[in-house]
Order: sequence, then structure tokens, then C-alpha cells
Amino acid sequence: EVQLVETGGNLIQPGGSLRLSCAASGFIVSSDYMSWVRQAPGKALEWVSAILDDGTKHYADSVKGRFTISRDNFKNTLYLQMSSLRADDTAVYYCVREAAVAGQGGGAFDIWGQGTMVTVSS
Amino acid sequence: DIVMTQTLLSSPVTLGQPASISCRSSQSLVHSDRNTYLSWLQQRPGQPPRLLIYKISNRFSGVPDRFSGSGAGTDFTLKISRVEAEDVGVYYCMQTTQFPYTFGQGTKLEIK
Repeated sequence: EVQLVETGGNLIQPGGSLRLSCAASGFIVSSDYMSWVRQAPGKALEWVSAILDDGTKHYADSVKGRFTISRDNFKNTLYLQMSSLRADDTAVYYCVREAAVAGQGGGAFDIWGQGTMVTVSS
Repeated sequence: DIVMTQTLLSSPVTLGQPASISCRSSQSLVHSDRNTYLSWLQQRPGQPPRLLIYKISNRFSGVPDRFSGSGAGTDFTLKISRVEAEDVGVYYCMQTTQFPYTFGQGTKLEIK
């Protein structure tokens, strides 16, 4: 079964750091584009970061310099290292797969995890 | 950055009646490979989003055929031919043509 399971969300103080993990099953993380998307309480979806199959990384301006996306090919796991956390980083963080261009779901976010909650508060 | 702007053309909607959601992008979503990476997502209350439509008009696996997508360039529409109770939720358009990827602000579908 193809699925993504996020872990690592927590209550953290402003200025702190946290690492989110996303374990994938049923497909190979390093063969696809993978993203993190977040959703603040009651708000819209916001794309955060992506890592491409060739290892290229992209970030939203709101997290550039503070967040780092990475993956462990042996563990088939995606990560998001977050530092200098602020109150406006409070959100549910989703791990997402972007479907290959030529197949079902072409170029869209076809697989979503259930999300993990990050709360930044003192 | 590409800004995605959504509107609901008719809300709330009566069960069994059609509904349309419009999405406009601030610039063309046509990629250099000639594809247009505009997709629609549904988020039911308390659930993660779910892919409905990709590349403007392609229904994703398992999506009912009452959902359809259309449009080109910068103007896109999601149509539900006959709204059912399970369609309640928030609908998002998003573009994956260029980074940073962007979402619309979401459109809440309510039923009378």
C-alpha cells in the first residue's frame, strides 16, 4: 500500500528547533518529487519545501534559511529540519508526493500523509 | 510568485444541483513541456487534502465522474454536476508549473 506517515510534531518554544520525519511505503522517495505542505489552524494550504529526484531543493521564502529538507534513501524517509521557529510556523505539516508527469496524477500532489502538528508557543 | 485566486460561483448549494468553483492564476500555467500543471484538491473536515483533478481536466483514480475540470492559460473551473452530501469541504486549486508552488485560498462548499 502506498502511504506516507509523518512524525515529530510537538509543542516547541519560539526560537527552538524540531525535525519532522515522513516514512514512505509502497514507492521510493528518491525516485519522486517530494514536498512538505503546511496548514495553519483554520487557514489555507501553504507549500513549504520540495526535494526533487535529482536532489535539488526548493523553499518558500517564509522558511528559507530556517528550514532544511532532506531524505534518507536507505530508510525511504523524508525529513524537514526546522530551526528558529516562530509562532507563525504553527501548523499541521503534511508530507506529500508529487506524481510523475506522465502517469496518473501527472505533476500533482497525489499522496498525502495524515499530517503532524507543530505548535510554536511559550 | 504565481498568485492563485478562487471564487465560488454559487453558494450554498442545494443537494443534487450543480456547483462551480473558479480559479485564476496571475500568470500562465503553461509549462515549457506544454503541459499545464493545474490541479484541484478536496479537503473534507478533519482530513488531509485529496487529489481530484490534475493537468486541468484529468480525474484522478477513484474520483466520481460528477467532478470535472476545464480551462486554459490562467482561467480554470471545477464543476460538480450534482452535489452530494459527501462533497462538503474546502476545495483548493494549486499550480505545480513553477516554484514556489502555490495554492488558492480555498473555497468552502456548503449545502443548503
